[in-house]
Amino acid sequence: EAAVTQSPRNKVAVTGGKVTLSCNQTNNHNNMYWYRQDTGHGLRLIHYSYGAGSTEKGDIPDGYKASRPSQENFSLILELATPSQTSVYFCASGAWGAQNTLYFGAGTRLSVL
Amino acid sequence: GDQVEQSPSALSLHEGTGSALRCNFTTTMRAVQWFQQNSRGSLINLFYLASGTKENGRLKSTFNSKESYSTLHIRDAQLEDSGTYFCAAEEGYNVLYFGSGTKLTVEP
Repeated sequence: EAAVTQSPRNKVAVTGGKVTLSCNQTNNHNNMYWYRQDTGHGLRLIHYSYGAGSTEKGDIPDGYKASRPSQENFSLILELATPSQTSVYFCASGAWGAQNTLYFGAGTRLSVL
Repeated sequence: GDQVEQSPSALSLHEGTGSALRCNFTTTMRAVQWFQQNSRGSLINLFYLASGTKENGRLKSTFNSKESYSTLHIRDAQLEDSGTYFCAAEEGYNVLYFGSGTKLTVEP
């Protein structure tokens, strides 16, 4: 069974502070993704990665950085958090190529005050 | 993004009945996936389709890439089917665009 683990599950941050969301997958998948979910918008892609050392911009990358130090780990970094970044963040992993079924983590609820 | 239009945004069913959800795509998509988000917020993959139709229990999904749409049919709805359903489509490889979701409520 695919396993994607996010930490923390809940986070309260202050405006202007730095926030790091972590994701670990044990599927040996090449691809990893960060999405945010807001009411009325579904899931929107922030950053993704094709493998260790690679990061790519998604649809809404502004205000976010990503880091993929290894196959297993993919982090989302908010250098200067703002209240507009209050959201639920989901990490996912998927295999490269034709059958790219995505497996999601349980989500991180972030509140920026 | 705007590549995926999902409808309806909300749907109410009585137990034992059924209905269909639909996603239209504004560009040619290579594949589509359907997910259920349950009451705990977890996203569960239901189907992956590159073409044609797949069926799993009371759920059936079709993807017509030529006409740029996909459907998810639910029959004999049960209370545990309640949740939000999302379609997600791949235009190229490995990047998915999500619809805005259909909130399904199944009532006794």
